[in-house]
Amino acid sequence: DAGVTQSPTHLIKTRGQHVTLRCSPISGHKSVSWYQQVLGQGPQFIFQYYEKEERGRGNFPDRFSARQFPNYSSELNVNALLLGDSALYLCASTSVSLEVPGLAENTGELFFGEGSRLTVL
Amino acid sequence: KNQVEQSPQSLIILEGKNCTLQCNYTVSPFSNLRWYKQDTGRGPVSLTIMTFSENTKSNGRYTATLDADTKQSSLHITASQLSDSASYICVVSGHGGGTSYGKLTFGQGTILTVHP
Repeated sequence: DAGVTQSPTHLIKTRGQHVTLRCSPISGHKSVSWYQQVLGQGPQFIFQYYEKEERGRGNFPDRFSARQFPNYSSELNVNALLLGDSALYLCASTSVSLEVPGLAENTGELFFGEGSRLTVL
Repeated sequence: KNQVEQSPQSLIILEGKNCTLQCNYTVSPFSNLRWYKQDTGRGPVSLTIMTFSENTKSNGRYTATLDADTKQSSLHITASQLSDSASYICVVSGHGGGTSYGKLTFGQGTILTVHP
């Protein structure tokens, strides 16, 4: 079975441009979350989507947006790129239901993709 | 503020040797603690998940310990191999009755290099 797939794997943009990153979760997984990992740091939570609805948002500016499609794939969009947006963007999926309070936090196994390496010049 | 601090920042050992990585956290209330292995330029891969009631959990040559009283965890790697070279990330989940992963707090990782 395919794992979490992300595209593109690498891309280079210039300041002010827009970027769209894509993620396909493991088949059967309905939850997708996005993370930004700056070199030398741990991942930082950006968004979580479940059943096409936003279920969580990290401390990121409005330039960051995301959506989830009926097939549970997801897109992360970043507008007006800044040099500081250069990072590895990770997508993770889980099969655990988010309908039961605390279940995902307590038991949910997160499966990460290989990430999209964004360089902003 | 919820924080996860890992030490050392980086570590170099010889193949075949053992090593221990440390994780201290201030996340409260605590739900569970996870260790991930992340190869350079790749996504993190889960090693263990430990809940409040678990003190030790093993996954092959990896053994994680948890002391919820002192809010400390360690990851012990036995008989290291070259393929163990990676970043090891400690992740702590806060218990808040929510239904999202927004309560996960990631450490900055320990970079382990195993030399032949």
